[in-house]
Parts: sequence; structure tokens; C-alpha cells
Amino acid sequence: AQKITQTQPGMFVQEKEAVTLDCTYDTSDPSYGLFWYKQPSSGEMIFLIYQGSYDQQNATEGRYSLNFQKARKSANLVISASQLGDSAMYFCAMREGSGGYQKVTFGTGTKLQVIP
Amino acid sequence: DTGVSQNPRHKITKRGQNVTFRCDPISEHNRLYWYRQTLGQGPEFLTYFQNEAQLEKSRLLSDRFSAERPKGSFSTLEIQRTEQGDSAMYLCASSSTTGEYEQYFGPGTRLTVT
Repeated sequence: AQKITQTQPGMFVQEKEAVTLDCTYDTSDPSYGLFWYKQPSSGEMIFLIYQGSYDQQNATEGRYSLNFQKARKSANLVISASQLGDSAMYFCAMREGSGGYQKVTFGTGTKLQVIP
Repeated sequence: DTGVSQNPRHKITKRGQNVTFRCDPISEHNRLYWYRQTLGQGPEFLTYFQNEAQLEKSRLLSDRFSAERPKGSFSTLEIQRTEQGDSAMYLCASSSTTGEYEQYFGPGTRLTVT
């Protein structure tokens, strides 16, 4: 089974609107974390937001929020008030394990295009 | 600039040649990761160092691949006898052990094997 599933290869959103990018995950490890990274066309991976499996509240970072539904094993990224600069690939990723080594597995990504 | 740096940014080589890439992590980070990313895919984990110790290697990392981090600072990734299937973006990331889980990525080295 895929550890991280992103079912939306591409998404369009109107500028200033909100958009939700889907991510589901699969793990039997009780200690894990979910990340979202942005990869513009220039190629660098930019960390956006992190949610730990034991965190009680959903993570938020500015216009980014992570809708964490543990029972459904989903960790959707919500971007509010989309901007043209948000056009990029977005990757969901999961870390497993605690303490020392933290393996991180990435999904296949969602290409977001913001329309003026 | 105190981010992760990688050199070279681009490398074109002929099949069968050896190539070496370098990664300089954020100075206070003791964890270093190598990933490979092919077109249209997310990064795939290759190997991980904590300080100078290589603690994990993916089965993607064939015998032609070797990575080192001799003094626990910069790291090198060498590919011997390159094949066309090795063409990809090679990403390096670093993180700390102080409870922060996010990995900070470098700009990557794009390898093209002709």
C-alpha cells in the first residue's frame, strides 16, 4: 500500500479563493508526523507546515492550515486567499518513528495553478 | 546564506562515467539526507546520516552509489559507472535533533546522463 496518497494530480483555483489539497496516509507507527512542502518551477523544496500525530490542534502557518483527521488518516492542506505565487507543486510527506532516525516518505504531488 | 547548499547545480555526463555531488548542510544540523527526484514524482529517500554515521540506506541505492560524511559536516554522493536511468534531480536535506522535524532542502543537483 502507498504510504502517502495524493489523488489530485492537478488543481486550479481562482486568485483570492481558498483551496484544499488532499493527502491520505498509511502507517501503523503510533508516532508519526505529516508535512507539506511546496516546490515551485525553480525546483527548491520549501517547508510549509508540520503536524505531529500527538498534536491536539490542527497546525496553522499564516495562510496555510493542515486539516488533520487522524481516524480517517488524512492530512489535507488548506491554502486561504490564494495568490499567483502559490502556483507550484505541493508534496505531502510523512515521517515515521521516534527518537533517532526519521524516515520521510513523499507523495506524488499536486500541481496547483492559481488563475488571475 | 545559511541554507543548505549543493554543488554542482547541473551535471551532464556520459554513460559509464563517475560523478560526485557535494552537499553542505545548515551548520548546526547534524542529520543529513539524500533524495532522488525524477520528473513528475516526489523525492525518494536514498540515505541518511546522523553526524558522520550512515544509519540508513534505501534499496534504491545500488552498489554503484556511495555516500560519505567524513567529518559530520558536508556530505558527498558518488555514482560510479553512470547509467541513463540515473538521470534525475539529487536533493540534499538537513535537520536538527532538537525536536524540530522539518527537513530543509538544498537547491538540488540535476544530473543528465547521455
